[in-house]
Amino acid sequence: QKEVEQDPGPLSVPEGAIVSLNCTYSNSAFQYFMWYRQYSRKGPELLMYTYSSGNKEDGRFTAQVDKSSKYISLFIRDSQPSDSATYLCAMREGAQKLVFGQGTRLTINP
Amino acid sequence: NAGVTQTPKFQVLKTGQSMTLQCAQDMNHNSMYWYRQDPGMGLRLIYYSASEGTTDKGEVPNGYNVSRLNKREFSLRLESAAPSQTSVYFCASWGANEKLFFGSGTQLSVL
Repeated sequence: QKEVEQDPGPLSVPEGAIVSLNCTYSNSAFQYFMWYRQYSRKGPELLMYTYSSGNKEDGRFTAQVDKSSKYISLFIRDSQPSDSATYLCAMREGAQKLVFGQGTRLTINP
Repeated sequence: NAGVTQTPKFQVLKTGQSMTLQCAQDMNHNSMYWYRQDPGMGLRLIYYSASEGTTDKGEVPNGYNVSRLNKREFSLRLESAAPSQTSVYFCASWGANEKLFFGSGTQLSVL
């Protein structure tokens, strides 16, 4: 079993929809949780990060962490075609070494 | 500001050939990483270097070697390439606020 599990999709939704992306994990020592966005043929870029449990909002994006359930989510409101990308969750304990999920390929249809 | 620069962008090798992937960062970061990305597998850590002069194995180190030449440069070497090493390779360095800065990737095919 992988430490971090993420549904690879693909996920296709109409423009304006609310998108929910999720990851589960098995290592209870993870403290830092991140979402990276990767456009086709590019390297991933950090979208959001949270420390421990709770919510964090940045514009149309909201990240949620539920450590009791070992479950993290990324919500995208009012989705746009420019949000079409692969979204990777990532997490770590103390050392600067991330464990990534498999990535979910998202397409927003105009 | 170049960030993380990887070369080459594309490479085709025959089984058994060797090659070195080059990576350099100009952000004065201490930690650098090599990942491979395969369909359905996400990003898997090959090797990392927490500081100049140190390197450690990641999740999938077999078949690879690395050199942290100085603070800026971190290279990945395939001594005898195998078809299983066909992948997209990313170099990254660690900045502030949980931010990994990635290069644009090297698409490697081993025939």
